Amino acid sequence: DVKVTQSSRYLVKRTGEKVFLECVQDMDHENMFWYRQDPGLGLRLIYFSYDVKMKEKGDIPEGYSVSREKKERFSLILESASTNQTSMYLCASSPRWTGGYPKNIQYFGAGTRLSVL
Amino acid sequence: GESVGLHLPTLSVQEGDNSIINCAYSNSASDYFIWYKQESGKGPQFIIDIRSNMDKRQGQRVTVLLNKTVKHLSLQIAATQPGDSAVYFCAGSTGGGNKLTFGTGTQLKVEL
Repeated sequence: DVKVTQSSRYLVKRTGEKVFLECVQDMDHENMFWYRQDPGLGLRLIYFSYDVKMKEKGDIPEGYSVSREKKERFSLILESASTNQTSMYLCASSPRWTGGYPKNIQYFGAGTRLSVL
Repeated sequence: GESVGLHLPTLSVQEGDNSIINCAYSNSASDYFIWYKQESGKGPQFIIDIRSNMDKRQGQRVTVLLNKTVKHLSLQIAATQPGDSAVYFCAGSTGGGNKLTFGTGTQLKVEL
C-alpha cells in the first residue's frame, strides 16, 4: 500500500513564526502536491513538484514556499505564519503518467491541522 | 481555467437507500475524472475513475455516470451503509497533465 506520512496531525503556531510541514511518501512517486482544505472551498493546490528540486505554483501559492531535496520528501514552508493560514493541509503523491489508465491517482496523507494564533 | 464543483454541500440518506452525488465541470477539454472519499480525520481516498470516452463505469456498490453534453457526472452508491458517511469529492484532469482540479465536496450523512 502507498503510504504518505505527514509529520504532524495538529500544530499550533504564533503569528509571524516560520512553519515547516513535512511529507514523506514511500512509493517512489515522481509527483508530490500540497493542498489546503477549507470548509466550502474544497481542496486548493498550493504547490506541486514533479521531480527533485523542481516546483511549480498551484492556485494559491502566496505566503508559501516548498522544498524538495529528496524524491520521497516534500516540505511546505510558511515563512511568516498569519491567521488566515489556519487550515487543514494535505500532502499527496502520484506516479508520473506515462500513458494508460488509471492516471493521476493521487494518494493522500492524513493531513495536518494548523492553527495560527 | 477549469472549475469543478459539487451541487450540494450536504446529502442525508436513510441506511439501505441509494445515494446520488452530483458534480459539474466547466472545461470541455477535461478528459478524465476521479471520485474520492474522505472520512473524518483521514485524507481523501480513491474510489473510482472514468474516462471521457465512457458514459458509465461500475465498481463495487458504486457507479459513476458521465454526461459530457451537459458537463455533469454523478456518483451513485447502492444500498448506502453507515460506513459510507464521508465527504465525497470529484476531481478532473486534462490531457497528459499530472494535476487534478477538485470540487468543493458533498458531505454524505447516513441516517439509521
